[in-house]
Amino acid sequence: SQQGEEDPQALSIQEGENATMNCSYKTSINNLQWYRQNSGRGLVHLILIRSNEREKHSGRLRVTLDTSKKSSSLLITASRAADTASYFCATGGAAGNKLTFGGGTRVLVKP
Amino acid sequence: GAVVSQHPSRVICKSGTSVKIECRSLDFQATTMFWYRQFPKQSLMLMATSNEGSKATYEQGVEKDKFLINHASLTLSTLTVTSAHPEDSSFYICSARVPGLAGSYEQYFGPGTRLTVT
Repeated sequence: SQQGEEDPQALSIQEGENATMNCSYKTSINNLQWYRQNSGRGLVHLILIRSNEREKHSGRLRVTLDTSKKSSSLLITASRAADTASYFCATGGAAGNKLTFGGGTRVLVKP
Repeated sequence: GAVVSQHPSRVICKSGTSVKIECRSLDFQATTMFWYRQFPKQSLMLMATSNEGSKATYEQGVEKDKFLINHASLTLSTLTVTSAHPEDSSFYICSARVPGLAGSYEQYFGPGTRLTVT
């Protein structure tokens, strides 16, 4: 079963704009991860944020985590057409446990 | 980074036949691999956890006799869809677990296998 919900389900922006998507989850977690999936392809790991972290950066990506609200956000700054993909959050429980994926956000970046 | 491959990338089979999908970790050993299923425009649904040298752990609602998983080595897990039916048509993705920092784990995903049952 899916742990989380992602919002929005779909997002369409112009190249150069920022894209923000949110993920909410239900149970306590050890970490939360964000993945990207291009159409018909496997998933690419973007970033992992641990439950004791509040914010993490990687290049044009910024992830926040609010464990009190059980939510996370992914911000893509200065988007590019190549960022067009589906983005999924996934929560991990105690060390070694499986990941549970959210429903995903489909992002379209128009050139 | 860790690389996971899947073979085949696409397969078309007739109803009633069996299909085997391979998942390999290319540059690391994976004691644990995961098999997911994804329908169009939907999220990944975990089917089973594959542990090297032991029986797989299946998620609720997944028929273990229909989806046979074998993890005979530290670099290879296989998923066999037995007596396939059109409703088994889907995108199957495997992943391998890699230890990270402070007890966390990252998963590296294969490119997926598109199964079409006619």
